[in-house]
Amino acid sequence: DTEVTQTPKHLVMGMTNKKSLKCEQHMGHRAMYWYKQKAKKPPELMFVYSYEKLSINESVPSRFSPECPNSSLLNLHLHALQPEDSALYLCASSQGEGGTEAFFGQGTRLTVV
Amino acid sequence: QKEVEQDPGPLSVPEGAIVSLNCTYSNSAFQYFMWYRQYSRKGPELLMYTYSSGNKEDGRFTAQVDKSSKYISLFIRDSQPSDSATYLCAMSAFINDMRFGAGTRLTVKP
Repeated sequence: DTEVTQTPKHLVMGMTNKKSLKCEQHMGHRAMYWYKQKAKKPPELMFVYSYEKLSINESVPSRFSPECPNSSLLNLHLHALQPEDSALYLCASSQGEGGTEAFFGQGTRLTVV
Repeated sequence: QKEVEQDPGPLSVPEGAIVSLNCTYSNSAFQYFMWYRQYSRKGPELLMYTYSSGNKEDGRFTAQVDKSSKYISLFIRDSQPSDSATYLCAMSAFINDMRFGAGTRLTVKP
């Protein structure tokens, strides 16, 4: 089983809303990631959690706040987003440190209005 | 210069053709190389994973890595219309900071 589950699949939010994206994996992976993908562009790394600790933050604005409650779950809290933040948000997981293969979820398509 | 260069295409081939997709990179620290397939509005699906230089084959797919030339390739034999998708190369060094190429859009025509 190489499944990474993301909810919701689609989300429309206003610029004053607070919402959260959720990601879950049960493969025993200890590294989890958030990527942002704009249309016809490759995924861009936002955050990496390794063993439930934030190890990489790619200078992402503070209106995006990641959280890793346990080794299976990863959240991305959203607040005061801008229309240009509309994108496909992808969660991925891999076994651990050292560049092992990463598996992606199907993404949450976010529209900020 | 981008860390990972990939021709975005689009690339159109007839059914049954051999497809060759390529990426070049500049960071000599990269040693983990992946190819992902992404259908429209879906998440990337891992196709091939290679560590360091060499070849790897899985069914109709063959991945090649030449670290001396900083060049990686994906070959698709007997291409099918269902192979029509965007193909992304990705690579990383020692930590989990995968860098993606721009993606090549492939269409296989029946």
